Amino acid sequence: AQSVTQLGSHVSVSEGALVLLRCNYSSSVPPYLFWYVQYPNQGLQLLLKYTSAATLVKGINGFEAEFKKSETSFHLTKPSAHMSDAAEYFCAVSDGAGGTSYGKLTFGQGTILTVHP
Amino acid sequence: DTAVSQTPKYLVTQMGNDKSIKCEQNLGHDTMYWYKQDSKKFLKIMFSYNNKELIINETVPNRFSPKSPDKAHLNLHINSLELGDSAVYFCASSQGGTPTFGPGTRLTVT
Repeated sequence: AQSVTQLGSHVSVSEGALVLLRCNYSSSVPPYLFWYVQYPNQGLQLLLKYTSAATLVKGINGFEAEFKKSETSFHLTKPSAHMSDAAEYFCAVSDGAGGTSYGKLTFGQGTILTVHP
Repeated sequence: DTAVSQTPKYLVTQMGNDKSIKCEQNLGHDTMYWYKQDSKKFLKIMFSYNNKELIINETVPNRFSPKSPDKAHLNLHINSLELGDSAVYFCASSQGGTPTFGPGTRLTVT
């Protein structure tokens, strides 16, 4: 079974400050890892994904995440927060396209990012 | 040019009614999913279809019945709606293991 834990249901930063959203996962097989963003009353948009290639993954809107197997972590960072980054962020794990679950995602509980001017 | 579309976007209905949500993807993906996002924003998979075949059914009550008439469509029919069914339902599709999500359908049962 796979699981995801996002540390901190709410994170608040000032505009221009570093954004760090934490995600730890559990998986019995090599994982695929994802970060999705959800703006109010909208669907889920893929920010970035790790699929067993480079451990440092760059995504859209200046976000990046680093896969650390030894720490079972996939934390999301952005050097400088912008007001438009305010949203809810979800970390998710799957066993990949070739796994028995056909890419089923198991999500964390989400982290709401607030950006102050 | 919407990749994954769902109708309706909002659905308000009374307990005991039967309702359907439709989903279509134009990405040519083989796999489609239904996810449920509850009032606490927790997302959980309900069903997954691959090439019109049901491959995942995550202990969802049998009042929920998915149907895939073809690879591009995955509909969700819900019988005898209950208050606890109120949620946002997301359709998604994938090829290669990275799901693309639809905009969601907000179901409110009164």
